[in-house]
Formats: sequence, structure tokens, C-alpha cells
Amino acid sequence: AQSVTQLDSQVPVFEEAPVELRCNYSSSVSVYLFWYVQYPNQGLQLLLKYLSGSTLVESINGFEAEFNKSQTSFHLRKPSVHISDTAEYFCAVSEENRDDKIIFGKGTRLHILP
Amino acid sequence: NAGVTQTPKFRILKIGQSMTLQCTQDMNHNYMYWYRQDPGMGLKLIYYSVGAGITDKGEVPNGYNVSRSTTEDFPLRLELAAPSQTSVYFCASSSAGTSGRLEQFFGPGTRLTVL
Repeated sequence: AQSVTQLDSQVPVFEEAPVELRCNYSSSVSVYLFWYVQYPNQGLQLLLKYLSGSTLVESINGFEAEFNKSQTSFHLRKPSVHISDTAEYFCAVSEENRDDKIIFGKGTRLHILP
Repeated sequence: NAGVTQTPKFRILKIGQSMTLQCTQDMNHNYMYWYRQDPGMGLKLIYYSVGAGITDKGEVPNGYNVSRSTTEDFPLRLELAAPSQTSVYFCASSSAGTSGRLEQFFGPGTRLTVL
């Protein structure tokens, strides 16, 4: 069965510093991978996704994630964070033959320190 | 488009009471989902629907019921509220077609407390 692990429940980082949020998955079949972001008191919204092709995917606000099949990882990175990036970030996986369901990780809360 | 709307935003229930959480989407999406979010636990799928008249259980369906009489609406029913159902509930939808199903659009959530 598929599963998603986000090892860090909280990540504090200074403004303008780089950040990496870790995500590992397990599945016996091909997968699609996602990062969703939840700003305070809001629902989740899609940040970026990997379906196929280039293993490096980017969002419009400077985040990127790289699919690493050998390490079963999909870590999220940003070279310089802003206070507006304060949010909870969820990694998610969907199996190729069950793309009507998405399994979410437990989330990583990103704290931006001034 | 309003997207996915949920009502109410907040609700306090007494143990044993019942209520319906409403969810409506105006994007003509076939797929709709109900999740609950507990602190530090991520999202757990309660029920989902692949179209009007079709519903299926997710990971944590006990204590809940759903119906899908129209494409737009997907209400979630709690019949006998219990403290374990204290949570934030999110409704989501996605379009048909492989790539469309892969992006879910979420409502703003309903914060439910059972005392």
C-alpha cells in the first residue's frame, strides 16, 4: 500500500534563508507526487506536481521539487524564503492505477523567523 | 466561479446530536471528497464520490454518511456526534480525466467541536 512520510513536523528558518522540506513515499507501482500548501485558516491548494517527464518541477512562487525514484523522495526546496511562505506543507502521492485517490502526509509547518 | 464552498464555518455540537456539513462546487467536477484534518495527522479521507449517485468509503468512514444526488452537492452527515469527531472537515473536488483527477480543489473547511 502507498504511504507518505514527512519526517519534520516543524521547520523554523530565517527569512531569506534556503529551506528543504523532506518527503519520502512508498509504493509498489508508478506514482504521481504532489506538494500542497495550507495557509492559516484556509483549505489546501496545489503548489506543484510531478506526473511524468522532467524530474524537477517548479511552482510560480519559487519553490521546486525533485522526484528521485531510487530514493523514493520528492523533497521541496526554496533558495530564499519570505515571511509570506509561512504555512503548512503537505506532500501527497497517488498511484498510477488509483488516481482517484490521493494519500497525504502529516504535514510540515514552516515557520519563517524575522 | 466560487469554487468549493462549505457551510457552516464553525459548529459546536453536543454528544449525540446530528448535523449535516454542506459542500457545493460550481466547477462541474465529477469527483468529490470529504477529509478530516486532525493536528499533526494530515488529512484522512472519509468518503468520496466519482459522480452523482455513486459514493464510496475512504479510510475513516465510521460515524459518517454521504449522498450525492447532484453533481454540485456532496453533503456529509454525522448522525450521533462523538468527541472523537472533533476535527476540521474539508470538502474537495476534481475533474474527470486522468490529469484532472490529480488536482483537488479544496473548500475553506468546517471546524467542528463535539462536547
